[in-house]
Amino acid sequence: DVKVTQSSRYLVKRTGEKVFLECVQDMDHENMFWYRQDPGLGLRLIYFSYDVKMKEKGDIPEGYSVSREKKERFSLILESASTNQTSMYLCASNRLVLAGGNEQFFGPGTRLTVL
Amino acid sequence: RKEVEQDPGPFNVPEGATVAFNCTYSNSASQSFFWYRQDCRKEPKLLMSVYSSGNEDGRFTAQLNRASQYISLLIRDSKLSDSATYLCVVIQRTGGFKTIFGAGTRLFVKA
Repeated sequence: DVKVTQSSRYLVKRTGEKVFLECVQDMDHENMFWYRQDPGLGLRLIYFSYDVKMKEKGDIPEGYSVSREKKERFSLILESASTNQTSMYLCASNRLVLAGGNEQFFGPGTRLTVL
Repeated sequence: RKEVEQDPGPFNVPEGATVAFNCTYSNSASQSFFWYRQDCRKEPKLLMSVYSSGNEDGRFTAQLNRASQYISLLIRDSKLSDSATYLCVVIQRTGGFKTIFGAGTRLFVKA
């Protein structure tokens, strides 16, 4: 079974704090993704990575950065948290395929509240 | 206009009912299509892929109409355990691959 784990289920931070969200997958997947999910907006892609030390901006990268130093680990960083970054953050991974798309496996999510 | 649009619902149906979810996508470069299910406070999980020929898995039937850029999911004989949010997912080929999630349709199945 594919397993994607996230470092925290719930997190409360203050405005201006630096926040690290960690994600680890155990299936040797090449691709890893960070999304945020908000009511009525669905999942929106923040950043993704298709290899170690590689990263690509998604649809809403502003205010976030990422790090992928090891294949199994993909970190999302909020340099200076703001209240509009209060959200559910979901990490996902999948295998790189050359044709079509394939299933993404999600972690359980981190519900971040910024006060 | 959103690239993938779904009726937000919620749909409230009795057990045993047939319920249909619809999804439209705007980009004709869309290549692969999926339905995911997300339970309350849980992560999304793949329910089924959607093929042009249509595909069925037990009580679930998924269909794709490329000409109309429309995807559907039909659940027959709905169960209480079907209560969840159903997400339409479209993958576009744009150099690389871009995955776009619909906002989801919430389903409540009541006894």
